[in-house]
Amino acid sequence: DGGITQSPKYLFRKEGQNVTLSCEQNLNHDAMYWYRQDPGQGLRLIYYSQIVNDFQKGDIAEGYSVSREKKESFPLTVTSAQKNPTAFYLCASSPLSYSNQPQHFGDGTRLSIL
Amino acid sequence: AQKITQTQPGMFVQEKEAVTLDCTYDTSDQSYGLFWYKQPSSGEMIFLIYQGSYDEQNATEGRYSLNFQKARKSANLVISASQLGDSAMYFCAMREGLRSNYQLIWGAGTKLIIKP
Repeated sequence: DGGITQSPKYLFRKEGQNVTLSCEQNLNHDAMYWYRQDPGQGLRLIYYSQIVNDFQKGDIAEGYSVSREKKESFPLTVTSAQKNPTAFYLCASSPLSYSNQPQHFGDGTRLSIL
Repeated sequence: AQKITQTQPGMFVQEKEAVTLDCTYDTSDQSYGLFWYKQPSSGEMIFLIYQGSYDEQNATEGRYSLNFQKARKSANLVISASQLGDSAMYFCAMREGLRSNYQLIWGAGTKLIIKP
């Protein structure tokens, strides 16, 4: 089945530690996105990528980094510079061809501070 | 100013009743799209329905329909014959412009609880 796989489902970060969230898609979508969701809130865009080896900052990129070495993969690193990383992280993808195409989402990763 | 406003933080609805979730938007673009997503307590985001700004008919997908009033800039989601499984957060989102790589702008969501 085509879809988006995020791992791990739960992740714990120690003080001063960088952690990486995985996102893989087999939908052959060009665009990929990372969102952060705080409890009871909507989604805020962290980074997005439209093509391999290129990505753009979203609204809340500080303290995060990404890479896009393969079309299928868009990992997110939460660095120690992100002082409040506890949140639910969602990865999404979409085609670039048609504006009416929805973004498809993974099941998310819940990140907490130890 | 908020681009997507969902004025109902939470709603309780009796099972089998219809429910309307409000969404108003603000854009100066002539071409835009509106999306509704459902987020159950497990966290995944499920796409429900799409309405384009040039679509003349209101979108429908099974029990979901969109009451699109362009002049009022509203795109309310209507769920007919609600079921217990409809209990979830519901988000309205907008894409401005023609190209699909434009970002989605999200509302804060409405928490819907269906009572048996």
